[in-house]
Amino acid sequence: QKEVEQNSGPLSVPEGAIASLNCTYSDRGSQSFFWYRQYSGKSPELIMFIYSNGDKEDGRFTAQLNKASQYVSLLIRDSQPSDSATYLCAVPKTSYDKVIFGPGTSLSVIP
Amino acid sequence: DVKVTQSSRYLVKRTGEKVFLECVQDMDHENMFWYRQDPGLGLRLIYFSYDVKMKEKGDIPEGYSVSREKKERFSLILESASTNQTSMYLCASSSPDTYEQYFGPGTRLTVT
Repeated sequence: QKEVEQNSGPLSVPEGAIASLNCTYSDRGSQSFFWYRQYSGKSPELIMFIYSNGDKEDGRFTAQLNKASQYVSLLIRDSQPSDSATYLCAVPKTSYDKVIFGPGTSLSVIP
Repeated sequence: DVKVTQSSRYLVKRTGEKVFLECVQDMDHENMFWYRQDPGLGLRLIYFSYDVKMKEKGDIPEGYSVSREKKERFSLILESASTNQTSMYLCASSSPDTYEQYFGPGTRLTVT
């Protein structure tokens, strides 16, 4: 099992819909989780992080964490064409300062 | 705002050349990282450093070396460039307290 897994997509949603991006991880000791957005030809940028079970909301973005199921998700409400990008889930290694990135999910928001 | 800069956005080198990629961060972060990113393979860690003159191998260190003589600067060295090292190279830095990584703009290296 890979340490961090995501649906590769591509995921296509119509403008205004909710986009749901999913991530599972293998290390039960993981305490923090990050979502990065990467536009084509650009570098990843951090958009959300979550440490506690439950939901964390920031504008149109909601991160959801379920540690028992080792599952973290990102919901994007009222999706816009500008949300079209690859979304990377990232989980720090518990023993080191490095972070494991998932393969990313490509999202396309159709006008 | 954290700023991470990389010396070149695009670089073209010949097989066998020695290549230096430079990365500088201005947030006094202890940790710095070099990744390469290839289609279908995602982000792969080459090397990271958690302090000056300290380095650790990542997942794919073969063919690469690094140097960190100053806290703000982390260099990636391709001793003898090969065509399979054609890739996007991304530098990142982070504080050990938060794990949040901040990326530079990337260097797209082509080895011919």
